[in-house]
Amino acid sequence: GAGVSQTPSNKVTEKGKYVELRCDPISGHTALYWYRQSLGQGPEFLIYFQGTGAADDSGLPNDRFFAVRPEGSVSTLKIQRTERGDSAVYLCASSLTLHSTDTQYFGPGTRLTVL
Amino acid sequence: DQQVKQNSPSLSVQEGRISILNCDYTNSMFDYFLWYKKYPAEGPTFLISISSIKDKNEDGRFTVFLNKSAKHLSLHIVPSQPGDSAVYFCAAGPYNNNDMRFGAGTRLTVKP
Repeated sequence: GAGVSQTPSNKVTEKGKYVELRCDPISGHTALYWYRQSLGQGPEFLIYFQGTGAADDSGLPNDRFFAVRPEGSVSTLKIQRTERGDSAVYLCASSLTLHSTDTQYFGPGTRLTVL
Repeated sequence: DQQVKQNSPSLSVQEGRISILNCDYTNSMFDYFLWYKKYPAEGPTFLISISSIKDKNEDGRFTVFLNKSAKHLSLHIVPSQPGDSAVYFCAAGPYNNNDMRFGAGTRLTVKP
């Protein structure tokens, strides 16, 4: 079956611009997670959803970052007024439920470069 | 505040030998632990997990050991194979939800 997909795979933008990153989770997975991975670091938690609602958005670094999942499936991570420090690989994952024993399946990530 | 630490950024072993990857955590509320493996240009993939009620979990060539008192876990791969060459991430969190924190990763290279 299809895994988690993320589009675009690469995004280059200029400082100050707005970007949207999309995640298509595995069908039937109710939980969806966004992580940011900077060079030489592990995935850093940003936000996760249970269904349509953000169960925990405490990892979002500031109010320039926002994520939605309006129908409980596809999610979009939105970054306003991008800064060079936002450059990273943004990973999305999904799992059947929010319980820790349900494996998180990761997408390949979107590499964001802010010039 | 880094709650999960992997202090070795890289490890190189010979094919057929044992690989031991280490991970330390600081949050005593963590009671579920996982290892993920990541190849270039791919997302991390789940490898093995352990809950705090156990001190060892084995799956084929992969064994995870947990020392709760030391807040330390390790992943043993034996025998190591060249295809095991990847970045390995340790993750930890509470058992009742999937709010995981990841270490910085260890790049394992297995030489033929």
